Amino acid sequence: EAQVTQNPRYLITVTGKKLTVTCSQNMNHEYMSWYRQDPGLGLRQIYYSMNVEVTDKGDVPEGYKVSRKEKRNFPLILESPSPNQTSLYFCASKRGSSYNEQFFGPGTRLTVL
Amino acid sequence: AQSVTQLDSHVSVSEGTPVLLRCNYSSSYSPSLFWYVQHPNKGLQLLLKYTSAATLVKGINGFEAEFKKSETSFHLTKPSAHMSDAAEYFCVVSENYGQNFVFGPGTRLSVLP
Repeated sequence: EAQVTQNPRYLITVTGKKLTVTCSQNMNHEYMSWYRQDPGLGLRQIYYSMNVEVTDKGDVPEGYKVSRKEKRNFPLILESPSPNQTSLYFCASKRGSSYNEQFFGPGTRLTVL
Repeated sequence: AQSVTQLDSHVSVSEGTPVLLRCNYSSSYSPSLFWYVQHPNKGLQLLLKYTSAATLVKGINGFEAEFKKSETSFHLTKPSAHMSDAAEYFCVVSENYGQNFVFGPGTRLSVLP
């Protein structure tokens, strides 16, 4: 089944404790992206990647890191999480650089205490 | 810079009546526009997209949207609402060949029996 998977689905952590949210897709998509969803703000793009070893900032990259060492994986790293990073996070992937459909993962709900 | 305004945070309709969800965008270039739907506790699914072909776009589940450049609008419509249409709807703009995406804040659609 074609899908985007994220782990963990739920995470409660404390301020300053480094964490990684994994994202993996099995559709051989070149493009991957991370978003955060907050009430009343919709989804905001954190980082995106056009292909392996190619990443770029979205609209809200502060406090986040990403890497794209393999085509199928695009982990999101929070080196020192803070309470304002409490949010619902979505990973997405799509073919190529054109306006193809993005396929979204199920989401990761993160709470930083 | 690109931006999206969804004029209604919540729309309530009766089953069988028409649906209108409004979206206005701002873009420096010729944008591509999308509507995504998010059902409760689910990921996002593409409803339809406009990428400079026909201005009236038909999507899944009977939804359609019309791109009006003069009004910078991309409103989503459906002739007859169904209970299963109750969800959050996001209008999305992209102006750089599908690299970064800007989501509107969302419109929650309620369908009353």
